[in-house]
Amino acid sequence: DSGVTQTPKHLITATGQRVTLRCSPRSGDLSVYWYQQSLDQGLQFLIQYYNGEERAKGNILERFSAQQFPDLHSELNLSSLELGDSALYFCASSVAIGLNTEAFFGQGTRLTVV
Amino acid sequence: AQKITQTQPGMFVQEKEAVTLDCTYDTSDQSYGLFWYKQPSSGEMIFLIYQGSYDEQNATEGRYSLNFQKARKSANLVISASQLGDSAMYFCAMTRDTGNQFYFGTGTSLTVIP
Repeated sequence: DSGVTQTPKHLITATGQRVTLRCSPRSGDLSVYWYQQSLDQGLQFLIQYYNGEERAKGNILERFSAQQFPDLHSELNLSSLELGDSALYFCASSVAIGLNTEAFFGQGTRLTVV
Repeated sequence: AQKITQTQPGMFVQEKEAVTLDCTYDTSDQSYGLFWYKQPSSGEMIFLIYQGSYDEQNATEGRYSLNFQKARKSANLVISASQLGDSAMYFCAMTRDTGNQFYFGTGTSLTVIP
């Protein structure tokens, strides 16, 4: 168990809907990352937060948004869902940011858009 | 731009044998971190090993070692005495000194044969 908790584990929803994925980082970790893993795109970095502030943005669509709350948990909001958004969404956390800081991943939320 | 290349989509190894998973990277940064993660069929991403660009010795963690050849920009993972539980996808990843994201390769699927 990595200590990173993601809910829900599975989510099935229809096109056009909006969903919220939740992540609780490991105790003491200030940094949260979101990644999308799909068969054709591999692991794509979406966004990173550090202590409540956005630090880096990757290939995140405008229909997607995220935030990190004062208690350090994070939410990823996906709206106007399309079939192509079906993927495994990972949250990871690290105690700090830096080149030698490993990130610990949650078990992921498997999103299926039908 | 940072890039990680894993050229072996699939690998097979006999139980108790050693196996090397290849990873090459491309960066113009002087400082960077290299990581290996394991993803079993259950989906979670498990941190295995880390190597810093300035580390002179190859990293080792139990049965895992990282064969770091800086001039060749390679960071191969060596798993000794393979076990059936080692069957999984293995991802090589890199961070820059900003630590803002992990750049992942496309992964290698390892199957351990009894």
